Amino acid sequence: DVKVTQSSRYLVKRTGEKVFLECVQDMDHENMFWYRQDPGLGLRLIYFSYDVKMKEKGDIPEGYSVSREKKERFSLILESASTNQTSMYLCASSFRAGNTIYFGEGSWLTVV
Amino acid sequence: QKEVEQNSGPLSVPEGAIASLNCTYSDRGSQSFFWYRQYSGKSPELIMSIYSNGDKEDGRFTAQLNKASQYVSLLIRDSQPSDSATYLCAVNKYSGGGADGLTFGKGTHLIIQP
Repeated sequence: DVKVTQSSRYLVKRTGEKVFLECVQDMDHENMFWYRQDPGLGLRLIYFSYDVKMKEKGDIPEGYSVSREKKERFSLILESASTNQTSMYLCASSFRAGNTIYFGEGSWLTVV
Repeated sequence: QKEVEQNSGPLSVPEGAIASLNCTYSDRGSQSFFWYRQYSGKSPELIMSIYSNGDKEDGRFTAQLNKASQYVSLLIRDSQPSDSATYLCAVNKYSGGGADGLTFGKGTHLIIQP
């Protein structure tokens, strides 16, 4: 079974803090993704990566950055957290383009 | 702007009946289509993928794709209360960078009434 692990499930951070969300997949997938999900807005793609050290902006990259130093690990970084970044963040991976995307369990972030 | 449209519901279906969920997409070049189920507070899980026109069946689930009409549907036969969830339609959004991100609809909330 594909395993996508998000190490932090529930976080509460203060406005202005730097926040790291970590994600690891164990299936040697090429592609990794970060989405956020908000009521009424659905799932929106923040960033994705198709190779180590490669990254592409998704639909809502503003306020976020990412890092992929190893194939299995994809990190989402909030340089200066703001209250409008309170959301559920979902990491996902796929073997290659067009294949099924598998999601982690999600990270619930509250910025106060 | 590439879009995936779903009726948000709630769609209420009696137990044992057929639930029919529909999805339209705007990008005619889309190649891969997926249905995910999401329970409240949980992450989406894949139900089915479909890549070519026609029907694809897996147990109680049937996905239908019509690329000419830019339409995808999911039928759930013999609906069970455990099928009550939000169903997300997702469409491949190819990018020239060699990867892709799925574009998701906002989901249809399905309620199976015992």
